[in-house]
Amino acid sequence: DAKTTQPTSMDCAEGRAANLPCNHSTISGNEYVYWYRQIHSQGPQYIIHGLKNNETNEMASLIITEDRKSSTLILPHATLRDTAVYYCIVTSLTGANSKLTFGKGITLSVRP
Amino acid sequence: EAGVVQSPRYKIIEKKQPVAFWCNPISGHNTLYWYLQNLGQGPELLIRYENEEAVDDSQLPKDRFSAERLKGVDSTLKIQPAELGDSAVYLCASSYRTEKAFFGQGTRLTVV
Repeated sequence: DAKTTQPTSMDCAEGRAANLPCNHSTISGNEYVYWYRQIHSQGPQYIIHGLKNNETNEMASLIITEDRKSSTLILPHATLRDTAVYYCIVTSLTGANSKLTFGKGITLSVRP
Repeated sequence: EAGVVQSPRYKIIEKKQPVAFWCNPISGHNTLYWYLQNLGQGPELLIRYENEEAVDDSQLPKDRFSAERLKGVDSTLKIQPAELGDSAVYLCASSYRTEKAFFGQGTRLTVV
């Protein structure tokens, strides 16, 4: 069963912010939201994760709604190298469900 | 810090032949994953190890696939015999417990 829903694709202009949405309406209280991305011919790369609060690191920001049913990954200044498939994943850190289950992700195309 | 190392990078074999993939995780990471990724799809978990123990192998086709992680460090994934439908990218990842996972570049298998 898919735990997350993402659009199939989106694009944005280089230098602009890319806002990637994700719905996870059945998220449980102990489950985190993780984002990974996969650039062509490479393995997935961890970006960021969060539980309730918004998070920011050197790569991106993660905004989680108050009801935790959706989130948005923000790349503040997209570059051509950010073109990739982005996966939103919901998982707990312990127990039988503590695994990364990937969907099809959203393909982000950054145009010059 | 060295990342997750996988070998070989590419492998072409004839159907019905055996094949093995090797993974060296990041030092200190006790959790190791093997994923399979078909073209245009997200990675699918085959097996997850906590140290030497396979804690989730529910998606591993045990009639032809096997895996081992001796001494809780390196791991091998074997297919015997390979079928045409096994052509895919096989990804290995490791993490400290179930925190963010680091992926190798994968082994691209082509069965002809």
